[in-house]
Amino acid sequence: GAGVSQSPSNKVTEKGKDVELRCDPISGHTALYWYRQSLGQGLEFLIYFQGNSAPDKSGLPSDRFSAERTGGSVSTLTIQRTQQEDSAVYLCASSLVAGAYNEQFFGPGTRLTVL
Amino acid sequence: RKEVEQDPGPFNVPEGATVAFNCTYSNSASQSFFWYRQDCRKEPKLLMSVYSSGNEDGRFTAQLNRASQYISLLIRDSKLSDSATYLCVVIYGGSQGNLIFGKGTKLSVKP
Repeated sequence: GAGVSQSPSNKVTEKGKDVELRCDPISGHTALYWYRQSLGQGLEFLIYFQGNSAPDKSGLPSDRFSAERTGGSVSTLTIQRTQQEDSAVYLCASSLVAGAYNEQFFGPGTRLTVL
Repeated sequence: RKEVEQDPGPFNVPEGATVAFNCTYSNSASQSFFWYRQDCRKEPKLLMSVYSSGNEDGRFTAQLNRASQYISLLIRDSKLSDSATYLCVVIYGGSQGNLIFGKGTKLSVKP
């Protein structure tokens, strides 16, 4: 079956512009997670959804970052007024339900470059 | 102190060698433990979960020592295809699955 998909695969933008990153989870997966991977920082948790609700937004680095999920499926991560330090690979993962024992399956990521 | 610490490597080993990776975590309330594998410019993929009793999957053996807050991964009879970055991952108790990653240990297996 289809895995997690993300679009675009690459995004180059200018400092100050807004960007939207999209994630399509595996069909039937109710939990969706966003992470980012920066050079020298490793993978960091940003936010997760159970259904359309986001109980934990603790990893969002600033109020320029927001995310939503509609219909319990597709999620969009929006970064407003992008800065150079936002350059990273943004990874989305999904699992059947949220929880410590459910395997998360990752998408291929969106590589964001802010000039 | 980082939440999950790993030796970044690189570990350069010949085919057939046995190699061990270690990882320490700082949060004693950590509940679940994993090793993920990440190939260059690819997404992470679950290699194996780690249990207190230790677990083995073919050439791979994982161990957890809760008292020392220490996790290990042993790879026997290394293959060229084992070359990748190995990520130590924990989940805190009470969380809903948000993964806390180490920065990874890079392994390069040479012919």
